[in-house]
Amino acid sequence: DAGVTQSPTHLIKTRGQQVTLRCSPKSGHDTVSWYQQALGQGPQFIFQYYEEEERQRGNFPDRFSGHQFPNYSSELNVNALLLGDSALYLCASSPGQHGYTFGSGTRLTVV
Amino acid sequence: SQQGEEDPQALSIQEGENATMNCSYKTSINNLQWYRQNSGRGLVHLILIRSNEREKHSGRLRVTLDTSKKSSSLLITASRAADTASYFCATPISGNTPLVFGKGTRLSVIA
Repeated sequence: DAGVTQSPTHLIKTRGQQVTLRCSPKSGHDTVSWYQQALGQGPQFIFQYYEEEERQRGNFPDRFSGHQFPNYSSELNVNALLLGDSALYLCASSPGQHGYTFGSGTRLTVV
Repeated sequence: SQQGEEDPQALSIQEGENATMNCSYKTSINNLQWYRQNSGRGLVHLILIRSNEREKHSGRLRVTLDTSKKSSSLLITASRAADTASYFCATPISGNTPLVFGKGTRLSVIA
């Protein structure tokens, strides 16, 4: 049984560009949460999707947006990239609000 | 914002020794979770302790929770080099909100 799959694993983008990160949840999980982890810091909650709707959102600007598809997979989009957006982006899936399983993350570098 | 705050920020011990990490949090919780992260990769769930529990064991892991002091500790007994990782505590701020993580403790176990 595959766990949470994130793609790509690494990505380099230029300031001002847009990026899309993808997440396939663990089988049986219907909720997807996204986290941003800067180097040396703990993960910061971006938003959570359930039934294709954004259910909760952390303190992130509107440049960060997402989507959940009918098969529960999810995308994170970041527009107008800043150097400060460089981080590890983690996706976590869960069957509801508990029992999180994390993916290995996407390392985004903005130059 | 950070809910949990781990202490110490970094810990270096010899293989075979015990490692203790502490977590303090700010608001009332219904559970507290500990995660491990190897080399900036995905987070692995270690153990969950509910607010009505005081101590929980899982293999070489022992977690305690003191709700009166709003603190928790993670003890790893007989540490191994493979335990080298960052350890995070995480709590939902209230009810069904997503997890909020601390900044983590970086543990180095020297063989």
